[in-house]
Amino acid sequence: EDQVTQSPEALRLQEGESSSLNCSYTVSGLRGLFWYRQDPGKGPEFLFTLYSAGEEKEKERLKATLTKKESFLHITAPKPEDSATYLCAVPSYNTDKLIFGTGTRLQVFP
Amino acid sequence: DAGVTQSPTHLIKTRGQHVTLRCSPISGHKSVSWYQQVLGQGPQFIFQYYEKEERGRGNFPDRFSARQFPNYSSELNVNALLLGDSALYLCASSLASSGGASQIYEQYFGPGTRLTVT
Repeated sequence: EDQVTQSPEALRLQEGESSSLNCSYTVSGLRGLFWYRQDPGKGPEFLFTLYSAGEEKEKERLKATLTKKESFLHITAPKPEDSATYLCAVPSYNTDKLIFGTGTRLQVFP
Repeated sequence: DAGVTQSPTHLIKTRGQHVTLRCSPISGHKSVSWYQQVLGQGPQFIFQYYEKEERGRGNFPDRFSARQFPNYSSELNVNALLLGDSALYLCASSLASSGGASQIYEQYFGPGTRLTVT
């Protein structure tokens, strides 16, 4: 069964303290992996698509990487405005249905 | 450019009632998907529509139905509301449907409709 697991569930960082979020997945025939950012009460905001193992993408303080079994979202020198829940998702085999993890709730303190 | 829009923003209904949620996709996008998100969980897939045809259905009861119009906007209908239907309902639009092919299309989400059932 297709499954996405994210860890940790919650992460508290001091401003400037770099860290990584993990997304492990089990899906037949991975066609891509998506990262989203979600603020409380809002819809998920698209961040990255990764298509194959070894691929990396960057946006400001965020860098996403992909291996054959997991993806990492690295946050370098985070700021309080990076506080949000970060979700990863993969399309289910042979469909466009996205399978989401439960997310990592990130809090960055000044 | 306008993103995905959803209406209403918030809605309060009583058990047993019916609700209709609306979504307008990004201009040029022809596929709309609906997701349900309960607090503390990731979104759960409900339906996908492409060119007015249903392309996917999640594990939800028949009380949930949807349709897509010629202008690619979409409605999600829920009958006989239960307390457990309280959630954030999200609409996502994409350029097209992969149809299971290797190419995938990014899904862009709207702000959601917060449904509370009392």
